[in-house]
Amino acid sequence: GAVVSQHPSWVICKSGTSVKIECRSLDFQATTMFWYRQFPKQSLMLMATSNEGSKATYEQGVEKDKFLINHASLTLSTLTVTSAHPEDSSFYICSAHRGGQGNQPQHFGDGTRLSIL
Amino acid sequence: GEDVEQSLFLSVREGDSSVINCTYTDSSSTYLYWYKQEPGAGLQLLTYIFSNMDMKQDQRLTVLLNKKDKHLSLRIADTQTGDSAIYFCAESMAGGYNKLIFGAGTRLAVHP
Repeated sequence: GAVVSQHPSWVICKSGTSVKIECRSLDFQATTMFWYRQFPKQSLMLMATSNEGSKATYEQGVEKDKFLINHASLTLSTLTVTSAHPEDSSFYICSAHRGGQGNQPQHFGDGTRLSIL
Repeated sequence: GEDVEQSLFLSVREGDSSVINCTYTDSSSTYLYWYKQEPGAGLQLLTYIFSNMDMKQDQRLTVLLNKKDKHLSLRIADTQTGDSAIYFCAESMAGGYNKLIFGAGTRLAVHP
């Protein structure tokens, strides 16, 4: 159980394109989902916390107009990188937490590698 | 502030035990986690421990927590080549619905 699916796994696109990444909890309801960014050979940096039905909470230094997050249902959150540029190239990973059970851990998707040309 | 530190690299011989260490600064951390990341993949939860526990064992994995010293370790018994990956230690103030603070990750290399 506790499977999180992330799609697409790899995206290559031109500068200026907007890219949407989906994060789905397949076998549980996730009231909270998290979006992380990972640069090569570095740790994960939390970008934002997404709660179902409400606005996302962004970490300091993360542009909310650049990285649009929507958590419209208990099983789906999306991250849209708007007008992407080469500096947005990175590995983006989502995680999901099963609602109602605070001691349960976050479960992670397999990540999306975004390459902007 | 919150900070989690790990050594960056560990090399072990196949069949030996591996011990990956982690220190954290926030004494109010309630949950501590170990995740494994293979190349190009997401994070796989290995195990986690609540702050009122000293030890947790799950098959080849043993987690030790020294809350006084704010030190966490992960021991992998009989290390195999398939264990080669990056291991992240993470802490949370209040469980999985709260944000995780990650260490930089320890790259484990297993050689014959």
